[in-house]
Amino acid sequence: EAGVTQSPTHLIKTRGQQATLRCSPISGHTSVYWYQQALGLGLQFLLWYDEGEERNRGNFPPRFSGRQFPNYSSELNVNALELEDSALYLCASSLKYSNQPQHFGDGTRLSIL
Amino acid sequence: AQSVAQPEDQVNVAEGNPLTVKCTYSVSGNPYLFWYVQYPNRGLQFLLKYITGDNLVKGSYGFEAEFNKSQTSFHLKKPSALVSDSALYFCAVRDVGKLIFGQGTTLQVKP
Repeated sequence: EAGVTQSPTHLIKTRGQQATLRCSPISGHTSVYWYQQALGLGLQFLLWYDEGEERNRGNFPPRFSGRQFPNYSSELNVNALELEDSALYLCASSLKYSNQPQHFGDGTRLSIL
Repeated sequence: AQSVAQPEDQVNVAEGNPLTVKCTYSVSGNPYLFWYVQYPNRGLQFLLKYITGDNLVKGSYGFEAEFNKSQTSFHLKKPSALVSDSALYFCAVRDVGKLIFGQGTTLQVKP
């Protein structure tokens, strides 16, 4: 069974640009989650999508947005990039129910120059 | 608000010795608790979960965790550590879909 896949592995941008990160969940999983792992800040929740709808959002500015497609894959978009957006962005997927574990991809390393 | 804390930034143990990585939680209601491990330049790998039932939960790679309601703890344990267990370990609690993570504990197993 294929795991959660994320692309690209690395992404280099400059301040003010826009970034798009992609995630394909495990087959059969309808929920997709996005987390940011920044140096010194730990793992912070960004967004949760389930069956195409945004279900919950973390404490991030509106320039962080995303969507989930009918095949349950997801995109994370970050507009007006700032230096502090440099981080590892992790996507996870799970079955619908709250007692199910989230399974993570290997992340996209976003570097802002 | 739900939260978890990992009081140790780093745990050092000799290969073959038992290991414990500590986690305490603060939740309203029944907690859904998880342990994950992260190797360098990789995502998080699920180790085990506590939802309800037996207080001793067995997981992947020989790890287990003990849920203690009175002490609000969920410590990760392994009877005999391997050098390959050296990694970053995260405790997490589920809250309205999202996971809230502790700050992580680096486990160093020396030969």
